[in-house]
Amino acid sequence: DTEVTQTPKHLVMGMTNKKSLKCEQHMGHRAMYWYKQKAKKPPELMFVYSYEKLSINESVPSRFSPECPNSSLLNLHLHALQPEDSALYLCASSHLAREQFFGPGTRLTVL
Amino acid sequence: EDQVTQSPEALRLQEGESSSLNCSYTVSGLRGLFWYRQDPGKGPEFLFTLYSAGEEKEKERLKATLTKKESFLHITAPKPEDSATYLCAVNWVEAGNMLTFGGGTRLMVKP
Repeated sequence: DTEVTQTPKHLVMGMTNKKSLKCEQHMGHRAMYWYKQKAKKPPELMFVYSYEKLSINESVPSRFSPECPNSSLLNLHLHALQPEDSALYLCASSHLAREQFFGPGTRLTVL
Repeated sequence: EDQVTQSPEALRLQEGESSSLNCSYTVSGLRGLFWYRQDPGKGPEFLFTLYSAGEEKEKERLKATLTKKESFLHITAPKPEDSATYLCAVNWVEAGNMLTFGGGTRLMVKP
C-alpha cells in the first residue's frame, strides 16, 4: 500500500479562522513532509519530520504550525492566514532519503 | 544557481509522436533522482527512482535514464492520457531527507 491520505480535500477559510489539515500514512515511513504548491510551480518544502521530530523548518511563517502526534499522522494547524497563502498543500512520506509518496493534497482558499 | 533544471518547460506532441524530457542537475554526491507525474490539482504520482549513471527504468510508454549530469524521460508513442506535468527531483548526500525539484515539463498530447 503506497497511499497517503489527506483531509479535507478543499478548505475555504477567512483570515481570522483557525483550521487544521490532516495527513495519514501506514507504510511505516519515518519521515513526513508538508509542501506548499502554487499554480504552475513545483512543490515548495515547508516542514520535515524525522522519527516524529521536526528536523527542517524552511523559514515558514508562524501562522503555520506543524504537529506530528505519532509515526502515522501529521497535522498542519493554520491561524490568521493571508490570501497569498491560498495554494495546494501536499503531504508526503518516505523512508529516510528515499522516494517520497505524496497525498492528493488540500486545496486551500483564504478569503 | 538552480540545482535542478528541466527542459523544455512545455511540450506539445501529436499522439504517437515520441519525444524526451530532460532533467539536468548540478549537485554532488547524488543519492537518487526521482521522476513524478502530476495531474492538475492532484498530488505528484511517483514514477521512478534512479540511483547511478547508466541505470534505466521502464513503465509502459515511459523509460527513464540517468547519466552523471542529467536524466531523460523518454515517452514512446504517447497517448492523450499521458498529458500531465512531469517533475524530477534529486536527493544528495548533504540534503538529508530533502528533495530539490526542477520546474517541471508540462506535456500535452493531442489526438
